[in-house]
Amino acid sequence: NAGVTQTPKFQVLKTGQSMTLQCAQDMNHNSMYWYRQDPGMGLRLIYYSASEGTTDKGEVPNGYNVSRLNKREFSLRLESAAPSQTSVYFCASIVTGGRYEQYFGPGTRLTVT
Amino acid sequence: GENVEQHPSTLSVQEGDSAVIKCTYSDSASNYFPWYKQELGKGPQLIIDIRSNVGEKKDQRIAVTLNKTAKHFSLHITETQPEDSAVYFCAASGVDYGQNFVFGPGTRLSVLP
Repeated sequence: NAGVTQTPKFQVLKTGQSMTLQCAQDMNHNSMYWYRQDPGMGLRLIYYSASEGTTDKGEVPNGYNVSRLNKREFSLRLESAAPSQTSVYFCASIVTGGRYEQYFGPGTRLTVT
Repeated sequence: GENVEQHPSTLSVQEGDSAVIKCTYSDSASNYFPWYKQELGKGPQLIIDIRSNVGEKKDQRIAVTLNKTAKHFSLHITETQPEDSAVYFCAASGVDYGQNFVFGPGTRLSVLP
């Protein structure tokens, strides 16, 4: 049971390049989330998926797209990276059955130059 | 939408002393309040949570109190140890999983030996 995994761990992009951040969970969770973490701002929700086949915008969705590929996988895509997207990105999934504990992945540190 | 404030932003205590971190929220519909601990280079991990029908919850050296009328909740850590040093985040959410979690900006706790 690996929990929530994210790839890659680190990435450097040039302005205008595109990339996809991958996230997978093996806990059979229905809901998955993408957050960005910036110094002094906590975690801000980019997109979430309440169930397979559905996605919704969070607080800061501009410049990002997501795909809920199946129940396990939720990817985040930057179509044209900008320096303002330099951040640490965390994927999370939530346990079902009455508790609402979010399990977080280890994060992806992205730098856009 | 929901707004969560958190104070203080940094906190230093002597080993063995108590630490208190306070959060306020704006949306009276929020009814689930988790606290997360984030160690350097890792994703946040849930340490304790409380729902709006409960005023206090304890788990060994940590406790959370909730005042729904005043819309604030607090994390209490007693007998602090060096391994408690980390960044702590509070959050607020509706009870239905899949809804937005809104996080506070975080508190960096340092426990001095």
